[in-house]
Amino acid sequence: GAGVSQSPSNKVTEKGKDVELRCDPISGHTALYWYRQSLGQGLEFLIYFQGNSAPDKSGLPSDRFSAERTGGSVSTLTIQRTQQEDSAVYLCASSLVGGASGANVLTFGAGSRLTVL
Amino acid sequence: AQKVTQAQTEISVVEKEDVTLDCVYETRDTTYYLFWYKQPPSGELVFLIRRNSFDEQNEISGRYSWNFQKSTSSFNFTITASQVVDSAVYFCALNAGGTSYGKLTFGQGTILTVHP
Repeated sequence: GAGVSQSPSNKVTEKGKDVELRCDPISGHTALYWYRQSLGQGLEFLIYFQGNSAPDKSGLPSDRFSAERTGGSVSTLTIQRTQQEDSAVYLCASSLVGGASGANVLTFGAGSRLTVL
Repeated sequence: AQKVTQAQTEISVVEKEDVTLDCVYETRDTTYYLFWYKQPPSGELVFLIRRNSFDEQNEISGRYSWNFQKSTSSFNFTITASQVVDSAVYFCALNAGGTSYGKLTFGQGTILTVHP
């Protein structure tokens, strides 16, 4: 697609429920990233995909968080047993080349705003 | 560890004023990359500029200019003759730590409001 698409744009859920957030990167972008933006912590890296594998999951805050990517394209971020501190905007980004120099320029989506009641 | 500090939480100016957004970074790496992103109300982070640690040349792009000084570990961003459309949150970011992909450490952001 023309840009990075994320859905849903807004999600309100009850504490303890599971949620899935979807990211559709720019066509042909091999690298995909999830970031989280919250009032308390700012913008934080969560996970990096190169193709379908995730060589860096170091930013996932707990084992309730997981992500997968299929077909080298769409990615899903899953949060199990949501807690109120999970409330944040989850941003997805993609880039053309993931394994080259760190000079990659990320293209971000508009984010999925998650509110846990 | 990497760290980016944007000391200005909020800046308010009147249209046509010049404004400088400060960014100070910390890293022990000799090779690193610095970025500025703009986040308008729509929420998407929009890339503005990338600089590598070996290139201290200042850059100008229209009304935007960037001043990179390794001696003070700063990468400041100036908007000349600001416009209402410049109102947004601006983030400075660092890519270092030997990562060869887009793992960025962001500053806390500066909210810029330009009044007509």
